[in-house]
Amino acid sequence: TQLLEQSPQFLSIQEGENLTVYCNSSSVFSSLQWYRQEPGEGPVLLVTVVTGGEVKKLKRLTFQFGDARKDSSLHITAAQPGDTGLYLCAGRSIIQGAQKLVFGQGTRLTINP
Amino acid sequence: NAGVMQNPRHLVRRRGQEARLRCSPMKGHSHVYWYRQLPEEGLKFMVYLQKENIIDESGMPKERFSAEFPKEGPSILRIQQVVRGDSAAYFCASSPQGARNTGELFFGEGSRLTVL
Repeated sequence: TQLLEQSPQFLSIQEGENLTVYCNSSSVFSSLQWYRQEPGEGPVLLVTVVTGGEVKKLKRLTFQFGDARKDSSLHITAAQPGDTGLYLCAGRSIIQGAQKLVFGQGTRLTINP
Repeated sequence: NAGVMQNPRHLVRRRGQEARLRCSPMKGHSHVYWYRQLPEEGLKFMVYLQKENIIDESGMPKERFSAEFPKEGPSILRIQQVVRGDSAAYFCASSPQGARNTGELFFGEGSRLTVL
C-alpha cells in the first residue's frame, strides 16, 4: 500500500511569514501533484512535478520533487490570508496502464492577518 | 459550466436507507474516480471506472458499496443500508484517457452525506 505522509497537519502563522509543508513516502511515484482545497469545494490542481529534483514556482509558491521521487515540499514565501486552505499532495502511479492517485492527509494552513 | 457535476450536493439519510450519488464527468472525459473525505482528513481512493468497466475498486468497502459508469448517463456511487460511519464528503473526479494524460484530476464540488 502506497502512503503519503504530510507534515505538519495543521499550521497557523502570521501574514508575511514563510512556511514549508512536507510530503513524504517510502514509495516511488511517477509524478507528484499538489492540490489546494477550499471549504465546501473540491480540490484544485496547483502543480505537477515529474522529474526527480525538479523545482517549480507559482508566484510565491515553490514546489520541489525529491531526487528519488519519494517526497516533495511546498514552500510559501510571505504568506497572505488568501493562502489559507487545505493543501494536499498526491502521488501518481501507473499500474498495468491504469492511473492511480494516492493523497496525503493534507495540511490545513491558516494565515492570520 | 463544463466542469464535473455532482448531485446532490447535500444528502441526509437515516440509518438503513440507501444513498445514491451521481457524477457527470467533464465533457470529453471517459475516466471517473470516486474519493471519500472525512472532516479534517485527506481524500481516500474508492474506485476508478471507465465507461461500462470498473478498472480499480481496491478502495471500496466489500459490502454495501457499489459503483457504476454506464454507457449513457452519469456515474453512480451507491451505498446501501447506510450507517453513521458513512457520513462524509464524496468527491468525484474525471480525467481524459486515464494514464495517457498529464495526470490531472478535475474534481467536482462533492456530495456531503449525513446519516442520522
